[in-house]
Amino acid sequence: DIVMTQTPLSSPVTLGQPASISCRSSQSLVHSDGNTYLSWLQQRPGQPPRLLIYKISNRFSGVPDRFSGSGAGTDFTLKISRVEAEDVGVYYCMQATQLGLTFGGGTKVEIK
Amino acid sequence: QVQLVESGGGVVQPGGSLRLSCAASGFTFSSYGMHWVRQAPGKGLEWVAFIRYDGSNKYYADSVKGRFTISRDNSKNTLYLQMNSLRAEDTAVYYCAKEGEGYNWNPEYVDYWGQGTLVTVSS
Repeated sequence: DIVMTQTPLSSPVTLGQPASISCRSSQSLVHSDGNTYLSWLQQRPGQPPRLLIYKISNRFSGVPDRFSGSGAGTDFTLKISRVEAEDVGVYYCMQATQLGLTFGGGTKVEIK
Repeated sequence: QVQLVESGGGVVQPGGSLRLSCAASGFTFSSYGMHWVRQAPGKGLEWVAFIRYDGSNKYYADSVKGRFTISRDNSKNTLYLQMNSLRAEDTAVYYCAKEGEGYNWNPEYVDYWGQGTLVTVSS
């Protein structure tokens, strides 16, 4: 199985300031079809996960443009340009390149 | 709008069985692969199983292989998870989740999640 490692575990951020989360995979996420199936999910307290970003950098419908994804191969990053109160929650990276989807351990974003 | 509504969770003794259902609406169910993903209390996400849009192939996490069976009824827009030989470590909220692209042979990303149903395995 591909192991997904996220850092940091926790990210206290001041409102209006940027936040960045890293995700590293144990092997390349480039699929044989040329795509890289790396997604980012947000889980607010008491809610199910919600898709933010898919295939590294594609913002899902309705996701604010302060969220952006980047990276390639085994190293990926989610950035929030200006954190808002509603962004509090746990963020997960997820790979679907290899069957047997795997998730990072999660990064908790909280307000300082 | 896309809706996924899980049901069938509850408390069951170790070794027991439970069948979860997920009623789908707001999209052409028969065109999309579907997943079950679980989350133990206070823990992260764990993928459980995937079924292709037409039910032709099914895949399972090693932790549930041989005990759980994923299935679907495209005429009823419903996804199922039959869980047998349940263990304490199966205690979790179980989410059904929809693939982002239709007619995929393999998973690519998950775009919608249900609210989840809680399964508690305890004597």
